[in-house]
Amino acid sequence: AQTVTQSQPEMSVQEAETVTLSCTYDTSESDYYLFWYKQPPSRQMILVIRQEAYKQQNATENRFSVNFQKAAKSFSLKISDSQLGDAAMYFCAYKEAGTALIFGKGTTLSVSS
Amino acid sequence: EAGVAQSPRYKIIEKRQSVAFWCNPISGHATLYWYQQILGQGPKLLIQFQNNGVVDDSQLPKDRFSAERLKGVDSTLKIQPAKLEDSAVYLCASSQTGTLQPQHFGDGTRLSIL
Repeated sequence: AQTVTQSQPEMSVQEAETVTLSCTYDTSESDYYLFWYKQPPSRQMILVIRQEAYKQQNATENRFSVNFQKAAKSFSLKISDSQLGDAAMYFCAYKEAGTALIFGKGTTLSVSS
Repeated sequence: EAGVAQSPRYKIIEKRQSVAFWCNPISGHATLYWYQQILGQGPKLLIQFQNNGVVDDSQLPKDRFSAERLKGVDSTLKIQPAKLEDSAVYLCASSQTGTLQPQHFGDGTRLSIL
């Protein structure tokens, strides 16, 4: 079965600095999709960024970018110019066609001023 | 567009009681998911619907949990009887058909079992 591992339960960063959240996954499939979700205390899961495994180019969404290493099965999230509003729980998730998301255990990110 | 609506937002019951959660997905979204999120963990799929048919319920504890999606729109998730380990947030999500269609999540229902 596919698994997603987030090895950092907690991370902290200062405003305007850069932080990287780690994620590794295990799969024998070659075609899949990877996501980062943000969950603030309000509980609503918000999609941050997504990556198709067949694309070599790393996805970027404004201050958020990923480092996708398919051979290493690694999918890290980089947040640049961190803001107070970035404080939340971040989940890495894996998906194949027609299936639901498989989530990691999450990383709690705190941002200090 | 209106988001995924869930109710109630909070529910407290005693063990062995029953409880039901309701989800109204985004209009036009054929796929609906129910996830269970235990405190400190990531969400885990309970059941996935495509229209009113079940796609995946392999992780649904069928001896106590049931779910339905009548007419392929609203869905209800029921627990009967509840156990202490069912304390969690129950998230509903919906998406259009297609792997890269994003899943839109509701605010969830926080269930506490006494």
